[in-house]
Amino acid sequence: GENVEQHPSTLSVQEGDSAVIKCTYSDSASNYFPWYKQELGKRPQLIIDIRSNVGEKKDQRIAVTLNKTAKHFSLHITETQPEDSAVYFCAANDYKLSFGAGTTVTVRA
Amino acid sequence: KAGVTQTPRYLIKTRGQQVTLSCSPISGHRSVSWYQQTPGQGLQFLFEYFSETQRNKGNFPGRFSGRQFSNSRSEMNVSTLELGDSALYLCASSRGTGNNEKLFFGSGTQLSVL
Repeated sequence: GENVEQHPSTLSVQEGDSAVIKCTYSDSASNYFPWYKQELGKRPQLIIDIRSNVGEKKDQRIAVTLNKTAKHFSLHITETQPEDSAVYFCAANDYKLSFGAGTTVTVRA
Repeated sequence: KAGVTQTPRYLIKTRGQQVTLSCSPISGHRSVSWYQQTPGQGLQFLFEYFSETQRNKGNFPGRFSGRQFSNSRSEMNVSTLELGDSALYLCASSRGTGNNEKLFFGSGTQLSVL
């Protein structure tokens, strides 16, 4: 089955700086790679996703890149703000969505 | 449109007991997936139901079971509770199959086993 590894487990950045989270996956047949954000005490919510026929996707301050050959994908957050503080989960699909262990991002004011 | 609703919000049980969790998906969504969330472990897939049929199952013991009703509402049952079952149980609904499109999560049921 699919195995998703996510790094780093914690990330502290200064407000205004960029944050990068990286994930690797094992199943070369995976073709859907979403990212979820979970604020403290709240439900996970999709923030961006990418499919295997696309190498990069942007949505305002958030971007995701996918390297199918190397089987890794990354989340980039630019100009970080305090409201970006949360746990971020990457995922990849086989017969189910397999999630990484999560990255706790803290944005320091 | 109402979101995904999970009840109850909190549960406290003792070892050996059983528990039933409920999930009402977004109207029109036919798939309900269940995940177990524990600190540092991310979200572990339990199972997915689609049109009243279990579509897929994760690597959990048979004590974890579920079902889906004709109105797409789903229940998850855990029998013979163990201390290690303490976790946040999240359900998520989607219009189609849950491995290939956006999942809408509920707020979860926090289960504590004493």
